[in-house]
Amino acid sequence: DVKVTQSSRYLVKRTGEKVFLECVQDMDHENMFWYRQDPGLGLRLIYFSYDVKMKEKGDIPEGYSVSREKKERFSLILESASTNQTSMYLCASSLAGPYEQYFGPGTRLTVT
Amino acid sequence: TQLLEQSPQFLSIQEGENLTVYCNSSSVFSSLQWYRQEPGEGPVLLVTVVTGGEVKKLKRLTFQFGDARKDSSLHITAAQPGDTGLYLCAGPMNTGGFKTIFGAGTRLFVKA
Repeated sequence: DVKVTQSSRYLVKRTGEKVFLECVQDMDHENMFWYRQDPGLGLRLIYFSYDVKMKEKGDIPEGYSVSREKKERFSLILESASTNQTSMYLCASSLAGPYEQYFGPGTRLTVT
Repeated sequence: TQLLEQSPQFLSIQEGENLTVYCNSSSVFSSLQWYRQEPGEGPVLLVTVVTGGEVKKLKRLTFQFGDARKDSSLHITAAQPGDTGLYLCAGPMNTGGFKTIFGAGTRLFVKA
């Protein structure tokens, strides 16, 4: 079974803090994704990576950066957290392109 | 713009009832995925449909891909409280690349 784990289930941070969200997958998948999920807005792609050290912007990359130094690990960084980044953050991985993604349990981030 | 529209948005039924939820688009998709997301968790992949007219069964869940590959349906027979969750359909953007289109979901609540 594919397993995608995320470093925290719940996080509370203050405005202006730098926030790191980590995601690890154990199935040797090439592709990894970061989404945020908000009521009424659905799932929105922040960044994705199709190989180590390779990354592409998704639909809402502003205020975020990512790092993929190892194949199994994909980190999302909020350089200076703001209250409008309060959300559920979901990491996913896939073997081939945008098909059949396997999601982690999510991190519910609250920025106060 | 490629969109996936899901209906109904919300469904509340009694245990034992049957139901169908729909995922529609004006665009052709090479495949569609269905996910179930329980509250506070990440989406879990249920099935992928690829061929027009394809029908796949997963215990009490039956998934169908439209002949023209523009729509899909999920039918649940004898719903149980464990079926409660958000059902999402998703498909790859037909411009290629790594982006996935997600529907807004159908939120199902099955009362015991």
